[in-house]
Amino acid sequence: AQKITQTQPGMFVQEKEAVTLDCTYDTSDPSYGLFWYKQPSSGEMIFLIYQGSYDQQNATEGRYSLNFQKARKSANLVISASQLGDSAMYFCAMREGLDYKLSFGAGTTVTVRA
Amino acid sequence: NAGVTQTPKFQVLKTGQSMTLQCAQDMNHNSMYWYRQDPGMGLRLIYYSASEGTTDKGEVPNGYNVSRLNKREFSLRLESAAPSQTSVYFCASSEVGSNQPQHFGDGTRLSIL
Repeated sequence: AQKITQTQPGMFVQEKEAVTLDCTYDTSDPSYGLFWYKQPSSGEMIFLIYQGSYDQQNATEGRYSLNFQKARKSANLVISASQLGDSAMYFCAMREGLDYKLSFGAGTTVTVRA
Repeated sequence: NAGVTQTPKFQVLKTGQSMTLQCAQDMNHNSMYWYRQDPGMGLRLIYYSASEGTTDKGEVPNGYNVSRLNKREFSLRLESAAPSQTSVYFCASSEVGSNQPQHFGDGTRLSIL
């Protein structure tokens, strides 16, 4: 079974608007962490934001925020005030318990239009 | 500010050839990882090293070997390359702790003909 599901293969967003990228996860471990990474066309993987399963508040990092709905097992990334430089592939990933492995979703491509 | 450095950046091999991908990190991280990225599949873990002196298989270890040479360096070896191993390979490192992000190198694009 897929541990991380990203259902949006590609999205378009107008510059300065907000965009929400969906991520649902599957785990029976009560302790887990969720990560979002950005991969621009140049290919590197850039860490954006982290949410722990026991965190009471949604994580925020600058223009990035995470809409964490634990009961629904979703961890959607919100990018506010989109910029042209936000055009990239975005990956949701999960780390379960004491496991070292990150399980990645298939990614969502975001294209920001001027 | 090097972070995680991978060499080479690009490589073309013929089926059956061997090669080693090199990875070094300067962040004093204990844990290091090798992933492969294939179109439409996200990243999949090949091998990891939780700490110096230990290595463990990940999700897709077949056809690969690794060596944790020291705390800084973690290499990935293809003994007999196959076309199915054509992929982009990423090395990553992290500090211990489930909330610690993994920091990635820029990747090695490997084509096997």
